[in-house]
Amino acid sequence: DGGITQSPKYLFRKEGQNVTLSCEQNLNHDAMYWYRQDPGQGLRLIYYSQIVNDFQKGDIAEGYSVSREKKESFPLTVTSAQKNPTAFYLCASSTDVGEQYFGPGTRLTVT
Amino acid sequence: QQQVKQSPQSLIVQKGGISIINCAYENTAFDYFPWYQQFPGKGPALLIAIRPDVSEKKEGRFTISFNKSAKQFSLHIMDSQPGDSATYFCAASNTGGYNKLIFGAGTRLAVHP
Repeated sequence: DGGITQSPKYLFRKEGQNVTLSCEQNLNHDAMYWYRQDPGQGLRLIYYSQIVNDFQKGDIAEGYSVSREKKESFPLTVTSAQKNPTAFYLCASSTDVGEQYFGPGTRLTVT
Repeated sequence: QQQVKQSPQSLIVQKGGISIINCAYENTAFDYFPWYQQFPGKGPALLIAIRPDVSEKKEGRFTISFNKSAKQFSLHIMDSQPGDSATYFCAASNTGGYNKLIFGAGTRLAVHP
C-alpha cells in the first residue's frame, strides 16, 4: 500500500527542546517537502529536497533543520531556535511531473 | 510574481448548488495548476489538476477552467454536497524548475443541507 507516513500524529514538547518529526514514503519519489500550516492559514514551505543528500531552504527555514540520507526518508527537526513551533506539520513528495502528495500531518504543541 | 491569489476566503453554498473558487497567478512560467481538498486535521488531498495546453478538465463533479491569457483558473463543484465541506487550496508550479508548488491562501467551503 503506497503512501506517505508521518509520525507521530500528535507531539507535545516543552519549550527549549529540539524535536524530530518523521516522514517516510514508499512511492519512489525523488522530491520531498516539509510545510507548516497554522490554524486557518495556508501552507508555508520549510524545506525541500530534490534528491538524496541535497536539500534547499524554503520560505520559513529559520529554526528548522532536515536531512535526506535515504530516498524514502526526510525527517524534520524543530529546534529551540524556532520561536513559534506550535503548528500542524505536513510532509509531501512529488512525481517527476510535479504531482505532489501529502502525508496525514503531525500536530506539534510546544508549551 | 510568485504569488497565487485565491478568492473567496470563505463560501457558503446550498446543497445541490455550484461552488466556484477562483485563483490568479502572475508567473507565466507556471505550467501545472492543481487543486487540493483538505478536511480538518488531515493532510491536503490532490483533487484535480490542469496543464495550460487545455482550457478545461472535468473529473466527476469537479471541473477546472483555465484562462491562460487572463492568468486565471477556477474550480467548479457541481451539485455540491455537505460532504464537500472542506478547505480548498489552489496551487501553481513551474515543473521545469524545482517543482515548488506556490499555494493560494485557501477557501473554506460550507455546503448547507
